[in-house]
Amino acid sequence: QVQLAESGGGVVQPGRSLRLSCTASGFSFSDYGMHWVRQAPGKGLEWVAIVAFDGINSEYSNTVKGRFTISRDNSKNTLYLQMNSLRAEDTAMYYCARLSGSQSFDYWGQGTLVIVSS
Amino acid sequence: SHELTQPPSVSVSPGQTARITCSGDALPNQYTSWYQQKPGQAPILIIYKDIERPSGIPERFSGSSSGTTVTLAVTGVQAEDEADYYCQAADSSGTFYVFGTGTKVTVL
Repeated sequence: QVQLAESGGGVVQPGRSLRLSCTASGFSFSDYGMHWVRQAPGKGLEWVAIVAFDGINSEYSNTVKGRFTISRDNSKNTLYLQMNSLRAEDTAMYYCARLSGSQSFDYWGQGTLVIVSS
Repeated sequence: SHELTQPPSVSVSPGQTARITCSGDALPNQYTSWYQQKPGQAPILIIYKDIERPSGIPERFSGSSSGTTVTLAVTGVQAEDEADYYCQAADSSGTFYVFGTGTKVTVL
C-alpha cells in the first residue's frame, strides 16, 4: 500500500535552516509529482511547493518562494524540502502528498511539525 | 491570486444532508477535489475531478459543479462525518495549487 513518512521537523530559531524528508513506499515514486502542504496550528491547509516526477520542474507558493527548495532523489524514493531563512509564520505541520493525474493530492503522510521560535 | 471561499461552519442533524460550497473564479476551468480532515489526522481525499469518489469512500459523499461554485454533499450524515472539509483546485494556468478556507462540519 502507498505510504509516505515525513521526518526532520523540530524546533529551530528564526533565520535558521531545516531540511524535511519524505520517504515513499508502495508505489513507483519516480512516476509521480510530489507536493509539500503545510498547516499552521488551528489554521487551514496551505499549498507550499510541487516537484515534477523527474525533479526537473518545480513551483512554489509566493509565501515561500526564494526561501524554500523542493527536490527529490528517485533512487532513494525520497522527497525533500530545504527551508532557509525560517520565520515564526513558517511554524506548521508539514505534509508531503502525492500528485494524482487529476490534479488532486491522493495520498498524504502523517506530517512533521516545524516550530520556529527563539 | 486564486482564492477558494468556503463557509466557516455547517451544522447538521444525524441523517440529514450537509452541503458545503466552494467558490472561485477559476473553478469552471479546473477540476476540484475535496478532503476530509479529522483532529490530529492528515487529510484524506474524498472527491476528485469534481464528482469522482476514490475507492473506499462511502457513497454518501458526492460532488457537483456549477459555474464558479462546486458543492460537496454528505447525504445521511453520521456522527463520524464530523470533521473539517477543504476544497482544492489548481489555478487557471494549472501551475499553482490552492486550498479553500475550510469548513467545519458539526453533527448535532
